[in-house]
Amino acid sequence: DVVVTQSPDSLAVSLGERATINCKSSQSVLHSSNNKNYFAWYQHKPGQPPKLLISWASTRESGVPDRFSGSGSETDFTLTISSLQAEDVAIYFCQQHYFHPYTFGQGTKLEIK
Amino acid sequence: QVQLQESGPGLVNPSETLSLTCTVSGGSISGYHWTWIRQPPGKGLEWIGHIYYSGATSYNPSLKSRVTMSVDLSQNHFSLKLSSVTAADTAVYFCARTLDSGVGDYWGQGTLVTVSS
Repeated sequence: DVVVTQSPDSLAVSLGERATINCKSSQSVLHSSNNKNYFAWYQHKPGQPPKLLISWASTRESGVPDRFSGSGSETDFTLTISSLQAEDVAIYFCQQHYFHPYTFGQGTKLEIK
Repeated sequence: QVQLQESGPGLVNPSETLSLTCTVSGGSISGYHWTWIRQPPGKGLEWIGHIYYSGATSYNPSLKSRVTMSVDLSQNHFSLKLSSVTAADTAVYFCARTLDSGVGDYWGQGTLVTVSS
């Protein structure tokens, strides 16, 4: 299986500051025929369903604030929250959806410092 | 707004079959893949498999011998059966609507299933 390694496990950031979460895939998830990275980011708040934030590595889903951005290609990907808000406290996890079985990072718990 | 809700027993005896149903509201089952994912306590997410509305399935090879998924268009729900369970199958089980790309755009809240006698 493709291993997705996510870091850090937990992160504490001050309100208004930048938060950065990284994921590394053991194999490239870039599809050469369409030049798309099959990589997604999700947000999971306690008591709520996980929410899809970003697909294709950098495409924000409708309604997701523009302070959330995704970047990277092939094996290395980053989720950036440009200015942390209180409502962003959650667990964030990444997923490669190129190789079966699809696999996930282990999650990053984001808290307010 | 599409909503998914998992239901089923929260406690299953070892060696028995875990059975869960995911009921979809606010949208039709038709046209999409429907996925089961689980998260053991303190561990990461594991993709169990998915079923297309037509009934075609794709399972994680690590679980394939024990997994059966089905879909009921008339009831707008889909189901998971996992046989011969052990304590290692204790997890929060999520259902999700999955796009053709493989991403889950709508998820259930998850249901904890504990395997114990």
